[in-house]
Amino acid sequence: GAGVSQTPSNKVTEKGKYVELRCDPISGHTALYWYRQSLGQGPEFLIYFQGTGAADDSGLPNDRFFAVRPEGSVSTLKIQRTERGDSAVYLCASSYDRSGEQFFGPGTRLTVL
Amino acid sequence: QQQVKQSPQSLIVQKGGISIINCAYENTAFDYFPWYQQFPGKGPALLIAIRPDVSEKKEGRFTISFNKSAKQFSLHIMDSQPGDSATYFCAASLPYNTDKLIFGTGTRLQVFP
Repeated sequence: GAGVSQTPSNKVTEKGKYVELRCDPISGHTALYWYRQSLGQGPEFLIYFQGTGAADDSGLPNDRFFAVRPEGSVSTLKIQRTERGDSAVYLCASSYDRSGEQFFGPGTRLTVL
Repeated sequence: QQQVKQSPQSLIVQKGGISIINCAYENTAFDYFPWYQQFPGKGPALLIAIRPDVSEKKEGRFTISFNKSAKQFSLHIMDSQPGDSATYFCAASLPYNTDKLIFGTGTRLQVFP
């Protein structure tokens, strides 16, 4: 079946702009995760959804970052007033349930000029 | 205390050789230790995982060795192949927080024919 998909694959924006990154999880997976991977580093946890609700958003760096999952499937990560330091690959993962294997998407490479 | 330290940063191995990547952690409450493989432009994929109730787990050419007293675990790739060339990440999570994977910084493995 189809894996986790993320769009766009690349996003270039200017400092101060607003961006939205989309994640389509594997069908039937109730848990969804966002990670951020900076160059040469491991993925860093941002937020976890169980169903429609954000069960753990402790990894969001500040209030410019926000994520939603209104129908318990697709999720959107929203970044306001982007800064150059936000440049990274944003990874989405999903799992059947909270304790299941996390399947990662290919990521969205965000570049803030 | 939440960190997972990984070494080496890069590794060059000849085809047929053994690749060994090491990770160390501080938090003794961690109870799940997966290894992920990541190819360029792709998201990480689960390779093999272990829990602290066993000292070794083998799947094909991949083995995790776990030393609970030393708070260390390692990945061994036997008979390394050029197709194994990728970046490998160790990770850990807490029993009440299995959604939040804490990743190491990664090891770039190159296997030459």
